[in-house]
Amino acid sequence: AQTVTQSQPEMSVQEAETVTLSCTYDTSESDYYLFWYKQPPSRQMILVIRQEAYKQQNATENRFSVNFQKAAKSFSLKISDSQLGDAAMYFCAYRKGGSEKLVFGKGTKLTVNP
Amino acid sequence: DTGVSQDPRHKITKRGQNVTFRCDPISEHNRLYWYRQTLGQGPEFLTYFQNEAQLEKSRLLSDRFSAERPKGSFSTLEIQRTEQGDSAMYLCAYRDRGFGANVLTFGAGSRLTVL
Repeated sequence: AQTVTQSQPEMSVQEAETVTLSCTYDTSESDYYLFWYKQPPSRQMILVIRQEAYKQQNATENRFSVNFQKAAKSFSLKISDSQLGDAAMYFCAYRKGGSEKLVFGKGTKLTVNP
Repeated sequence: DTGVSQDPRHKITKRGQNVTFRCDPISEHNRLYWYRQTLGQGPEFLTYFQNEAQLEKSRLLSDRFSAERPKGSFSTLEIQRTEQGDSAMYLCAYRDRGFGANVLTFGAGSRLTVL
């Protein structure tokens, strides 16, 4: 079974600084997708960024970028120029190609200090 | 606008009671999903529908749980004889092609507290 591990239960960053959240996953599949979702307190989960395993180029969405290391099965999220609104739980998720199930990690709580 | 409305947002019930949650996608989406999120954990897949057909169910979905999507639009998730371990956030999601293929968009969730 595929598993997703987020080894940092909590992280903090100063406003305007950069922070990296870690995620590793375990799979024997070659076709899969990886996601980072953000869940602000008492609000719905929203997609931050996604990566297809077959793409070598790391995905980027404005201040959010990933470091996808396929051989190491690592998928970290970098948040640049952190803003107060970035404070949230961040979940790493995996989906096997052809499957409908997302497998989530336990999450990392990000605090942004002014 | 989450794209999906969930009701009720919070339900408090006593152990042994039945509860039902409803998920209404704002627009038509042929695939609809239910996830459960317990405190301190990431969401876990429960089941999904393609139109009105329930195509996959997790082993987490015990006999006390049933989900329906009668006309391929809204969906309901019923829990019978609730237990304290059922306390969780129940999330509905639909498949969104906005970012490209195969991205899930989640609703705000229905929080269940079983006393």
